[in-house]
Amino acid sequence: NAGVTQTPKFQVLKTGQSMTLQCAQDMNHNSMYWYRQDPGMGLRLIYYSASEGTTDKGEVPNGYNVSRLNKREFSLRLESAAPSQTSVYFCASAIVAKNIQYFGAGTRLSVL
Amino acid sequence: GQQVMQIPQYQHVQEGEDFTTYCNSSTTLSNIQWYKQRPGGHPVFLIQLVKSGEVKKQKRLTFQFGEAKKNSSLHITATQTTDVGTYFCADYAGNNRKLIWGLGTSLAVNP
Repeated sequence: NAGVTQTPKFQVLKTGQSMTLQCAQDMNHNSMYWYRQDPGMGLRLIYYSASEGTTDKGEVPNGYNVSRLNKREFSLRLESAAPSQTSVYFCASAIVAKNIQYFGAGTRLSVL
Repeated sequence: GQQVMQIPQYQHVQEGEDFTTYCNSSTTLSNIQWYKQRPGGHPVFLIQLVKSGEVKKQKRLTFQFGEAKKNSSLHITATQTTDVGTYFCADYAGNNRKLIWGLGTSLAVNP
C-alpha cells in the first residue's frame, strides 16, 4: 500500500519556467492538500480539495494553480516559477471524518 | 483568524532528559492532532485529542488536552536519539476540512 505518492522528489527550475507537481493517493480519501514548508515557517497551506470536483485556496495560493483530476490525483502547477517558490512541497490526503492527514515524501524544489 | 502557538521553537536536551512542548490558543481548540517530522522526512500523525482534560500515552510519549481546551502538551520521558525531529500540533475545527498548524518545536538530542 503506497499511501501518498509525490513526483518528482527533486526539481531545479530556472526563473520563469513552469512545472507540475504530481500527487496520488490510494487510500480512497476524499480530501487532498498541498503545503509548502520553509525554515521557521511551519506548514503553510497552498490549496486544498475537500472532495473530488472542488478546490479552495489556502493561505498562500498566489503563483500556484491546482487540479483535482479525480479522487486519487491532485496536482500543483507553477506557471512561472520565482525564486520565492523555492521550498519543500508536501501533498497530503485525509479521510473526511477526522481529517487525520497522511503526507507524501515531499518535493524539494529550487528556483534559480 | 484562529492561531495555534507552539513553544518552545527549539529545544536541545541530553539523551535521557525529559522534553515538553506546548500548544496554546487564545480561542477554544476543537480536535488537537500531534505530528512528528524527522529531519528530511515528512510529517507523520501521532495522536488526536478530542475531550477536555484528555490524557493519552504512547510508550514514553504523554499527550494532554487542557481542561479549558485552550492548550495541549506533548511530554517525552527519557529522550532518545530516535526522538529527534520537529513536533507539530494542529487543530481541526471540522467545518472546513483544514488544519490550523502550529509552527512546530524542533528537538535535538545529544547522545
